Amino acid sequence: SQKIEQNSEALNIQEGKTATLTCNYTNYSPAYLQWYRQDPGRGPVFLLLIRENEKEKRKERLKVTFDTTLKQSLFHITASQPADSATYLCALADSSASKIIFGSGTRLSIRP
Amino acid sequence: DGGITQSPKYLFRKEGQNVTLSCEQNLNHDAMYWYRQDPGQGLRLIYYSQIVNDFQKGDIAEGYSVSREKKESFPLTVTSAQKNPTAFYLCASSTTGLLGPQHFGDGTRLSIL
Repeated sequence: SQKIEQNSEALNIQEGKTATLTCNYTNYSPAYLQWYRQDPGRGPVFLLLIRENEKEKRKERLKVTFDTTLKQSLFHITASQPADSATYLCALADSSASKIIFGSGTRLSIRP
Repeated sequence: DGGITQSPKYLFRKEGQNVTLSCEQNLNHDAMYWYRQDPGQGLRLIYYSQIVNDFQKGDIAEGYSVSREKKESFPLTVTSAQKNPTAFYLCASSTTGLLGPQHFGDGTRLSIL
C-alpha cells in the first residue's frame, strides 16, 4: 500500500543551525510534493511545492529537494529561529489529481 | 482578509446524534476539501468538491455527508453511523485541485460526550 514516512522522532535544533526534515514514500509515483507548516491547534499553512521534474526549490530560508529515484524529499530551514518551531507535513499528489496523501508530520523545536 | 472560516472551534456530540461542521471561504476557490486529523496520523481526505453541486468521496467517507450548494460553503455532517468521530476536522480550498497549494481553516475539534 502507499505509504509516507516522516522523521518519527521530534527534531531539536540549536538556533542558527540548519534543520533538515525527511519525507520518504513507497508504492507511489507522485507528480507533486508539497510541504506545510502546522502550529498546535491550527490548520496547516502551505510553504513550498515541487514537481517531479524539479530537483530543488527555494524560498527565502527554505529549500526543498525531490529525488524520485530515492523516493525522498528533504526540507531544509537554514539559519533556524525559535519561531520556526512547529510541525512540518509533507503531502504527495499524483498526476491524475485524484489522490493526495499526507505524512504524519515531524515536530521541530528550535532552542535559543 | 480572504480566508477559510470553520465553526465552531469545539463541538461535542452525543451518541446517536448527527452534527454539522461549517466551512466558509471568501477566496473564490472552486475546489474545497474536508480532512480528518488524528494524533500521530497524517491528514485523511473525507470528501472533496471541484465545483458547485458536485462532490466526490475521499478515502474515509463512510459515516460522513457533505453538500455544495454555494461556491463559498462546504458543510460536513458527521452522522451517527460514524462510530469513531473524535478527531480534528480541517477544511481546505484551492484553485488547482489536489495538485496545488491548499488553504486550510483552523479546524473544528469534535469530541463525544
